[in-house]
Amino acid sequence: AQSVTQLDSHVSVSEGTPVLLRCNYSSSYSPSLFWYVQHPNKGLQLLLKYTSAATLVKGINGFEAEFKKSETSFHLTKPSAHMSDAAEYFCVVSDYRGQNFVFGPGTRLSALP
Amino acid sequence: DGGITQSPKYLFRKEGQNVTLSCEQNLNHDAMYWYRQDPGQGLRLIYYSQIVNDFQKGDIAEGYSVSREKKESFPLTVTSAQKNPTAFYLCAISSAGASYNEQFFGPGTRLTVL
Repeated sequence: AQSVTQLDSHVSVSEGTPVLLRCNYSSSYSPSLFWYVQHPNKGLQLLLKYTSAATLVKGINGFEAEFKKSETSFHLTKPSAHMSDAAEYFCVVSDYRGQNFVFGPGTRLSALP
Repeated sequence: DGGITQSPKYLFRKEGQNVTLSCEQNLNHDAMYWYRQDPGQGLRLIYYSQIVNDFQKGDIAEGYSVSREKKESFPLTVTSAQKNPTAFYLCAISSAGASYNEQFFGPGTRLTVL
């Protein structure tokens, strides 16, 4: 069985300051891990994915995430927030076969001027 | 989105009516999924299909039906048996059985029951 926990339902940062969105997972298999972003009334857009090639994964829009097996974590970071980063962020885990996608509840990011 | 289209963008339904949401893709992916999203909540899986003419129930299939007659199309019907259908519906696709593959999402359909 797989599960995803996103530890914060809402994160608020000032523009220009670092962003940290936390995600912990549970998986019986070697997992695939993803971060998606959703702007209001839009579909989900893939930010980045972990595929076992490297533990530090770089994504679009300056985001990156680090896979830590010992901590079962895949936290999303960005050095400097921009107002356009305000959105809902979802952490997702799937099994190695690329099936059984399990979504976290989401974290709403607010970026204040 | 890109190669995934959902229509209509907004849909209004009277109580007791069935409505069908369209999802079409031209990326030649095998797997297709339907999710429901309620305000402030994550995504819940309604139905998914790995191949043509085959589909499986997800976590909240009651009151919904699907078909997969063509690889590129996976329509979702919201029946009158669904008691609270007002929600945002998202269609997704992926390469079935491929390791480390991601899902691609359509732009969504917002359904409102009047």
